[in-house]
Amino acid sequence: AQSVSQHNHHVILSEAASLELGCNYSYGGTVNLFWYVQYPGQHLQLLLKYFSGDPLVKGIKGFEAEFIKSKFSFNLRKPSVQWSDTAEYFCAVIGTSYDKVIFGPGTSLSVIP
Amino acid sequence: EPEVTQTPSHQVTQMGQEVILRCVPISNHLYFYWYRQILGQKVEFLVSFYNNEISEKSEIFDDQFSVERPDGSNFTLKIRSTKLEDSAMYFCASSGSAYGYTFGSGTRLTVV
Repeated sequence: AQSVSQHNHHVILSEAASLELGCNYSYGGTVNLFWYVQYPGQHLQLLLKYFSGDPLVKGIKGFEAEFIKSKFSFNLRKPSVQWSDTAEYFCAVIGTSYDKVIFGPGTSLSVIP
Repeated sequence: EPEVTQTPSHQVTQMGQEVILRCVPISNHLYFYWYRQILGQKVEFLVSFYNNEISEKSEIFDDQFSVERPDGSNFTLKIRSTKLEDSAMYFCASSGSAYGYTFGSGTRLTVV
């Protein structure tokens, strides 16, 4: 079955700490991977995506993610978080560009000033 | 960059009433989707739409739901008789060769 799991339900960090959010997927065939962010009261915003090529993907706001095919993982990282990074983070997978997106359960990140 | 536009941003309706959520996908996109997110839960796929017909739907998308592309720009989700458990954020998305998969800002539906 197609699914996405995220390692942590809730993460609390101090400002300037490094962040790594784990994501694993189960999906047959070629995959395209996303990380979305949802700030409090706002809509889903694309952080970054992997379709092909370099498995280390850089996104907006200093985020990056690494696709490790052998581990079925797509972990999100940021070297130094800010209070404004407080949000819900969703990992997601899709087959072709026109398939439905399968979302992980989300990780809530709280950054303490 | 083009956006997927959803209206209204928030709708309150009484249980049993019909509600229509509206979306304007990105021009030239050919694939359209509806997702929902119940408060505190993950985003769930409802339905995909291509070439004026449903291409896939989830088990959530029962007979109470319908989708339509009434003209060349709008894509609507209708819930015939709303239930309390339909309260959620509903996201529209579109996909195509340009700009890729894009989500709208969502409509928060509150059923009272």
